[in-house]
Amino acid sequence: GENVEQHPSTLSVQEGDSAVIKCTYSDSASNYFPWYKQELGKGPQLIIDIRSNVGEKKDQRIAVTLNKTAKHFSLHITETQPEDSAVYFCAASISGTGRRALTFGSGTRLQVQP
Amino acid sequence: NAGVTQTPKFQVLKTGQSMTLQCAQDMNHNSMYWYRQDPGMGLRLIYYSASEGTTDKGEVPNGYNVSRLNKREFSLRLESAAPSQTSVYFCASSPTREEQGQPQHFGDGTRLSIL
Repeated sequence: GENVEQHPSTLSVQEGDSAVIKCTYSDSASNYFPWYKQELGKGPQLIIDIRSNVGEKKDQRIAVTLNKTAKHFSLHITETQPEDSAVYFCAASISGTGRRALTFGSGTRLQVQP
Repeated sequence: NAGVTQTPKFQVLKTGQSMTLQCAQDMNHNSMYWYRQDPGMGLRLIYYSASEGTTDKGEVPNGYNVSRLNKREFSLRLESAAPSQTSVYFCASSPTREEQGQPQHFGDGTRLSIL
């Protein structure tokens, strides 16, 4: 099955700096890569996603890049703010009949220091 | 705008007790999922339902059963709870039955402790 590895497990940055979180996946059939933000006591919330026919996607201060050849994708947050502090999860979805379940990375705890 | 609603939010059980975790979505989504989240391990899929009337095992199904009651509701049952099932359980839903991945929307979880 699919295996998703995520690094780093913790990341501390100063407010205004950029943060980068990286994930690798094992199954070349994966074609959907979402990123989730989870705040304390809440469920994961989708913040951005990318499909395998696109190399990069941006949404304001957040961007995701995908390298299908190397099987890795990254989340970039620019101009970080204290409210960006949370746990971030990457995930990958394997295509296949009726099966769109996500395989998650182990998470990155981002702390933005004011 | 409720989205995905899970009940209860917290529960403490004794080993061997049974209980059902409830999940309902109001977004008219076809697919629903149950995950568990343990420290340092991300979320792992327990069961999913691609559409009303169908269910399938995920990565960690042992010790659990599910019921897709109708399009809105998807319940998770622990028949005989074990301490290893202490976890946070999340329900999610996604809109379509198409091949390519679709965004999943999560509830806020049920925190379950088994003594």
